[in-house]
Amino acid sequence: AQTVTQSQPEMSVQEAETVTLSCTYDTSENNYYLFWYKQPPSRQMILVIRQEAYKQQNATENRFSVNFQKAAKSFSLKISDSQLGDTAMYFCAFAYRDMRFGAGTRLTVKP
Amino acid sequence: DAGVTQSPTHLIKTRGQQVTLRCSPKSGHDTVSWYQQALGQGPQFIFQYYEEEERQRGNFPDRFSGHQFPNYSSELNVNALLLGDSALYLCASSFGGLAGRRTDTQYFGPGTRLTVL
Repeated sequence: AQTVTQSQPEMSVQEAETVTLSCTYDTSENNYYLFWYKQPPSRQMILVIRQEAYKQQNATENRFSVNFQKAAKSFSLKISDSQLGDTAMYFCAFAYRDMRFGAGTRLTVKP
Repeated sequence: DAGVTQSPTHLIKTRGQQVTLRCSPKSGHDTVSWYQQALGQGPQFIFQYYEEEERQRGNFPDRFSGHQFPNYSSELNVNALLLGDSALYLCASSFGGLAGRRTDTQYFGPGTRLTVL
């Protein structure tokens, strides 16, 4: 069974600085998808970034980028130039037929 | 372009009762997945509907059932409610989510907060 592990329950970063959130997963599948979702206090789950496992190039979306290491089954999220609005829970998710989520990392951006 | 919508926003029930939650997918999407998110935890997959049939199911008892309508909207039903069913129930929609095929990006609704007393 696929499992997703986020080993950092809480993190904080100063505004304008860079932070990296970690995620590891376990699977025997070869073609799958990985996602980072953001859940602010409003509880709406918002897609941050997506990575297809067959693509070697790391995905980027503006200030958000990932470091995808397929062999190591690692999928970290880097947030550059952190903003106060980035404060939220961040969930790493693995998708193959269904979607499995990690327990989340609570990120606080401090002014 | 309307996103995923869910109703109701909040719901309070008592143990043993039954509840129905509703979801309308994002325009152009044909697949609906349901998740349960307990406080302080990540979402747990309940099941996925595609072409009006349940295609995938997570580790949830038969008290949890669903339905998908021809317009792709979906309902989640929970019978014989337990205190432990209190959670945020999230609906997510995607396109072409047939088991074994490419899994497309899922877009989430705002959720329904269910409290069981």
